[in-house]
Amino acid sequence: RKEVEQDPGPFNVPEGATVAFNCTYSNSASQSFFWYRQDCRKEPKLLMSVYSSGNEDGRFTAQLNRASQYISLLIRDSKLSDSATYLCVVRGAAGNKLTFGGGTRVLVKP
Amino acid sequence: EAQVTQNPRYLITVTGKKLTVTCSQNMNHEYMSWYRQDPGLGLRQIYYSMNVEVTDKGDVPEGYKVSRKEKRNFPLILESPSPNQTSLYFCASSNQGTGELFFGEGSRLTVL
Repeated sequence: RKEVEQDPGPFNVPEGATVAFNCTYSNSASQSFFWYRQDCRKEPKLLMSVYSSGNEDGRFTAQLNRASQYISLLIRDSKLSDSATYLCVVRGAAGNKLTFGGGTRVLVKP
Repeated sequence: EAQVTQNPRYLITVTGKKLTVTCSQNMNHEYMSWYRQDPGLGLRQIYYSMNVEVTDKGDVPEGYKVSRKEKRNFPLILESPSPNQTSLYFCASSNQGTGELFFGEGSRLTVL
């Protein structure tokens, strides 16, 4: 089983719709969680950290479910510019090891 | 401007010809890391460095070397490149404990 797993997609989303997807992690001792965004052939960039209580940044909402060992990302009112690959990143118990999921591709269409 | 700079951005080389991909950051970050990204496999860590003169293997270190003689630089060395090292390589840096990695723009390497 991979340490961090994501549905590769693609998720085809009509503009203005809501899309949500999850990321599961295998190590229950994992400390921190993040979502990164990667545009085609570009470097990944931090989208948001994921806090235990859940957090929201504009149209983006991230949730953590420690009991079931997954994090989620929800995008409301999808824009064409939201088309990208979303990478789930988990920081391990040792503190400095970051493990990336394979990414979920989202395609927002007019 | 805060940034991580990698060079070269694109390189085509032949098997066995030693090459170095440079990485430099201007944010005074302690932590630096190299990743390779391959279709279906995601980002995999090659080596990382917690600070000057401290380096450790990541998940896929075979065939690579690194050094950290200065805080700002973390070069990736392929002593004898092979075709299975054809990949997109990213260098990244961060402050200890913050979790936010800043990535370079990537270096696309092809080994024939």
